[in-house]
Amino acid sequence: NAGVMQNPRHLVRRRGQEARLRCSPMKGHSHVYWYRQLPEEGLKFMVYLQKENIIDESGMPKERFSAEFPKEGPSILRIQQVVRGDSAAYFCASSSDRDDEKLFFGSGTQLSVL
Amino acid sequence: AQKITQTQPGMFVQEKEAVTLDCTYDTSDQSYGLFWYKQPSSGEMIFLIYQGSYDEQNATEGRYSLNFQKARKSANLVISASQLGDSAMYFCAIARNDMRFGAGTRLTVKP
Repeated sequence: NAGVMQNPRHLVRRRGQEARLRCSPMKGHSHVYWYRQLPEEGLKFMVYLQKENIIDESGMPKERFSAEFPKEGPSILRIQQVVRGDSAAYFCASSSDRDDEKLFFGSGTQLSVL
Repeated sequence: AQKITQTQPGMFVQEKEAVTLDCTYDTSDQSYGLFWYKQPSSGEMIFLIYQGSYDEQNATEGRYSLNFQKARKSANLVISASQLGDSAMYFCAIARNDMRFGAGTRLTVKP
């Protein structure tokens, strides 16, 4: 009965490199959400995806960030040409239904940009 | 647009006492959900309690209860009989189509 799986747990990148964060939702869940958390702050919504579709990306930076949730495989949050300001914890959550359903969170990926 | 406000950056409570964590929200939606999550120092997000906007009774889950006052748009979390393990960050969140979080309150339980 695996929960939401995120990997890697920690990711270190140098400025200019690409970061790929993976999220496998709970079994039976087709809705995936990505959040970013800076130290001592709350979670900031980034993007909401259903299988093969981006539903809401209002929280995504316009450049360098992209997300996908293919028909097969995990959801991927990709950050190109990382900068130090991208250093944060990135949380993925999943739900089985869109309306008022609680989100189940992964353990997060801590991205550190050197 | 939905907005969540948690006005208490930090709270202290004596072990075994009750504590209330404040949360107010703003939304134009008639139907929405309110949630509280706990984030211990290990970083994971732990679901605590849920209140639907049309639920007439306040939600309770063990030692957690949600004091829901719809007219005042508040959804305070009450933790009874605090334990040392309750020390953590607590986030209030509102969901309609996606979930938005408050800035959080750091709760410290003193022995």
